[in-house]
Amino acid sequence: EAQVTQNPRYLITVTGKKLTVTCSQNMNHEYMSWYRQDPGLGLRQIYYSMNVEVTDKGDVPEGYKVSRKEKRNFPLILESPSPNQTSLYFCASSFVPPREANEKLFFGSGTQLSVL
Amino acid sequence: AQSVAQPEDQVNVAEGNPLTVKCTYSVSGNPYLFWYVQYPNRGLQFLLKYITGDNLVKGSYGFEAEFNKSQTSFHLKKPSALVSDSALYFCAVRDVMNTGFQKLVFGTGTRLLVSP
Repeated sequence: EAQVTQNPRYLITVTGKKLTVTCSQNMNHEYMSWYRQDPGLGLRQIYYSMNVEVTDKGDVPEGYKVSRKEKRNFPLILESPSPNQTSLYFCASSFVPPREANEKLFFGSGTQLSVL
Repeated sequence: AQSVAQPEDQVNVAEGNPLTVKCTYSVSGNPYLFWYVQYPNRGLQFLLKYITGDNLVKGSYGFEAEFNKSQTSFHLKKPSALVSDSALYFCAVRDVMNTGFQKLVFGTGTRLLVSP
């Protein structure tokens, strides 16, 4: 089944304790992206990757890191989480960046992160 | 920058009645517009898109959207709502960044509640 898989589904941590949220897609997609969803703010892009070893900042990259060593995986790393990073996180992928807006995004089921 | 606005946080309709979820856009140039739906505990799913052509766009699950250039709107509609349509709906627009890369900018979301 074609899907984007995120883990964990729920995560509670404390301020300053490094964590990684994993994202994997089995559709051979080039483009992958991370979003955070907050009430009243919708989805905001954190980082994106156009292919292996090619990543760039989105709208809200502060406090996050990513890597794209393999095409299928795009982990999100919080080196020193803070309470303002409590949010619902989504990973998404598509065949190519929405260059001509013809490609739809496929989303994972989300990771609810709470930083105490 | 391109943007979309969803003026309603929540829309309530009775099952069997028509539904409308509103979206207005602000773009320079031709708009590329999308609707995504988020069911509870799931990632976003693509519903439909408008690129060019017919102002009435048909999508998944019986939804359609009407593009209105004069009113800069792209409202999502369905003739007869189902309880299973209850979800969070996001409007999105393509934006072109300084790098030339194109991405989707999402609205804040509208929660649709369909009562039996």
